[in-house]
Amino acid sequence: GIQVEQSPPDLILQEGANSTLRCNFSDSVNNLQWFHQNPWGQLINLFYIPSGTKQNGRLSATTVATERYSLLYISSSQTTDSGVYFCAVGGWGGSNYKLTFGKGTLLTVNP
Amino acid sequence: NAGVTQTPKFRILKIGQSMTLQCTQDMNHNYMYWYRQDPGMGLKLIYYSVGAGITDKGEVPNGYNVSRSTTEDFPLRLELAAPSQTSVYFCASSYGGEGKQYFGPGTRLTVT
Repeated sequence: GIQVEQSPPDLILQEGANSTLRCNFSDSVNNLQWFHQNPWGQLINLFYIPSGTKQNGRLSATTVATERYSLLYISSSQTTDSGVYFCAVGGWGGSNYKLTFGKGTLLTVNP
Repeated sequence: NAGVTQTPKFRILKIGQSMTLQCTQDMNHNYMYWYRQDPGMGLKLIYYSVGAGITDKGEVPNGYNVSRSTTEDFPLRLELAAPSQTSVYFCASSYGGEGKQYFGPGTRLTVT
């Protein structure tokens, strides 16, 4: 199956800083989603982005499918951005909804 | 809309007991999923359903069963609970296979 690697595994920032999280995957994908798991465990879908660039407020994401990676940018970070960020991918062949998750990046934003 | 709801929030089982984790969504999504999350790990797909009456195995189905009699509900059954099933269980749904997946709040299960 597809392998998903996220980096860095841990990241500590001061409030107001910017950050870039990376997701590498081992095969071509037809589905890529970014999630934020807050400290209470709730998973929030941030982006559905199998290719191209999307922006939502202070967050943006870019997927370069041909080079098998995706980036999540967080600008002007806030303490509420703390939590784990997961990348999840689905391959081709009619089962792109069967997502494979990476192990996540643990982000801590200090005031 | 309540989105995806799960009950119970927490549960402790003894080895060998059985239970059903409930999941309901009110977004009229046709696809539904069950995942488990072990400490420090990403989520792994247990079972999924592409519509009422249609279910299939994911990556880690052993020890679990599912059914889907309505669009809204997708219960997960644990038979003969084992300590290896201690985990946090998440239910999710999407409109179509390529749609964004929306997650419930999770059920934290401990088997002792």
